[in-house]
Amino acid sequence: NAGVTQTPKFRVLKTGQSMTLLCAQDMNHEYMYWYRQDPGMGLRLIHYSVGEGTTAKGEVPDGYNVSRLKKQNFLLGLESAAPSQTSVYFCASSSSDRGIEAFFGQGTRLTVV
Amino acid sequence: AQKVTQAQTEISVVEKEDVTLDCVYETRDTTYYLFWYKQPPSGELVFLIRRNSFDEQNEISGRYSWNFQKSTSSFNFTITASQVVDSAVYFCALSEAWSGNTPLVFGKGTRLSVIA
Repeated sequence: NAGVTQTPKFRVLKTGQSMTLLCAQDMNHEYMYWYRQDPGMGLRLIHYSVGEGTTAKGEVPDGYNVSRLKKQNFLLGLESAAPSQTSVYFCASSSSDRGIEAFFGQGTRLTVV
Repeated sequence: AQKVTQAQTEISVVEKEDVTLDCVYETRDTTYYLFWYKQPPSGELVFLIRRNSFDEQNEISGRYSWNFQKSTSSFNFTITASQVVDSAVYFCALSEAWSGNTPLVFGKGTRLSVIA
């Protein structure tokens, strides 16, 4: 049982380059989330999705776009990477039932130089 | 707006000491859920516990215990007889339940170091 899988695990980008982070879950969860983790800041929500074809902004959405074309996948895009986007990115998923915990992927460490 | 505060940035204890990690939350909702996650040095996030706002019973699981007090908006986590393997960053999180499963809002985390 894979759970939540993030691709890639590590990436180094040059300023201005673009990339897409892929999140895949095999638990048939309705909800999916993208967080970023920075030292001393905890995890902050970037975007989330409550179902296929729907997305919503979180706390720190600027500079990112997302798409949820299939229920099991949630893509996070950086159109023009900036050094401020150097971070560890976590994807998570959960069912729509109230109070159910979110299951997290292993994280993607992104460095923008 | 919902908010989670973990005032302790870093804690260092000697093995076998007891340690309490504090978590204070803010919410206007009457139905909400509180969580604790552990992030060991390997980096993954491990779910530890979930409590709903209607259940104030304390919970114990082995060396771990949780104290939920609505009167002080706190959900503290105690590790008894700490071990080196408990060294990790611990996050408290809150989810409001006004509409389905709202995204978790996390505190900034407490880094626990247990020294042998």
